[in-house]
Amino acid sequence: GAGVSQTPSNKVTEKGKYVELRCDPISGHTALYWYRQSLGQGPEFLIYFQGTGAADDSGLPNDRFFAVRPEGSVSTLKIQRTERGDSAVYLCASSRDRGPGYGYTFGSGTRLTVV
Amino acid sequence: ILNVEQSPQSLHVQEGDSTNFTCSFPSSNFYALHWYRWETAKSPEALFVMTLNGDEKKKGRISATLNTKEGYSYLYIKGSQPEDSATYLCAPLGNDYKLSFGAGTTVTVRA
Repeated sequence: GAGVSQTPSNKVTEKGKYVELRCDPISGHTALYWYRQSLGQGPEFLIYFQGTGAADDSGLPNDRFFAVRPEGSVSTLKIQRTERGDSAVYLCASSRDRGPGYGYTFGSGTRLTVV
Repeated sequence: ILNVEQSPQSLHVQEGDSTNFTCSFPSSNFYALHWYRWETAKSPEALFVMTLNGDEKKKGRISATLNTKEGYSYLYIKGSQPEDSATYLCAPLGNDYKLSFGAGTTVTVRA
């Protein structure tokens, strides 16, 4: 596609529920990143995919968070047993490859609200 | 993950005036410096990726400089326009290949 697409744009869920957030990166971009922005802070790294594999998941806050990219394109971030503290804007970005010279293209994010 | 500071947190600029703001980061363990512009309800938009000490990049009325030895970057907006209103995020790329974002500088241009 022309840009990075994230769905849904907004998600309101009850505490304890399971949610899935989807990211459709730019075609041909091998690197895919998930970030989370909480109010008043900059985006924080969650996980990085190179192709189909999660090359670095060190930013995932706990084992309630999981992400997949089974065919090396679309990625899904999954959150189990959501908590109010999970409320944030979840951003996805892709880049042609990983390295100092590559800029990221971001989606417009999914605003998750846990009530 | 690098510790990144952006200042000021917010600023108000009269239309037509020029402004600048700062991004500070650790000067070691650094590969590149990214700047993004994030308008409300839109995607963060890449402005610049800079890698070399002394780099200066320009995009229209917006320009940025990079000092890797002392660990800072300035972003300048010349002749501010209402469409420049946005949050400007800087993010150094560390040697772990992760971007560490500052909290941003929110610019509001008053007509």
